[in-house]
Amino acid sequence: EDKVVQSPLSLVVHEGDTVTLNCSYEVTNFRSLLWYKQEKKAPTFLFMLTSSGIEKKSGRLSSILDKKELFSILNITATQTGDSAIYLCAVEVGGSQGNLIFGKGTKLSVKP
Amino acid sequence: DAGVIQSPRHEVTEMGQEVTLRCKPISGHDYLFWYRQTMMRGLELLIYFNNNVPIDDSGMPEDRFSAKMPNASFSTLKIQPSEPRDSAVYFCASSLSRPYNSPLHFGNGTRLTVT
Repeated sequence: EDKVVQSPLSLVVHEGDTVTLNCSYEVTNFRSLLWYKQEKKAPTFLFMLTSSGIEKKSGRLSSILDKKELFSILNITATQTGDSAIYLCAVEVGGSQGNLIFGKGTKLSVKP
Repeated sequence: DAGVIQSPRHEVTEMGQEVTLRCKPISGHDYLFWYRQTMMRGLELLIYFNNNVPIDDSGMPEDRFSAKMPNASFSTLKIQPSEPRDSAVYFCASSLSRPYNSPLHFGNGTRLTVT
């Protein structure tokens, strides 16, 4: 059975800290890995990763994929209270536009 | 663009009642997905459509759940009869098949409470 596992499940840090969120997966017919940020409502797209070793960056956020070891990390540097959210990892599998299998998320709380 | 629009935002109903959730995808998107989110199970795919045709409904929990997409700009998810265990946030999402692997765009969800 395809699965996506995120760790830690929750994390509390202080502003300015750097955090690393983990996502490991076991799936058949991997196509891509995506990170989403969910605050109070809809998940919003952060990154899509398809190739190993190529870092994607957006401001203080960055992510990288290791297709050999089947994991991805999401880094957030100099955290701010606005980074508080649930971070979801999803893996797209199979088909011409496959199913997205989501992890249960990491709840990040950034304290002032 | 208004994004994916879902209605209602909140729905409270009694067990046994019929519930209909609605979704308007982003114009031009040819894929539409229905997800359910709970604390215990996270985000689970229920069903998805391509060009209004259901492609995979293996995530639909049981016959009480049904989904339709009569045209490119509208989809419904119906639960009949509803049960307390159906309480969750239901998200609709849409995407383009081109460029390849375009990300999903989610609506704000419908929070369903069945008492």
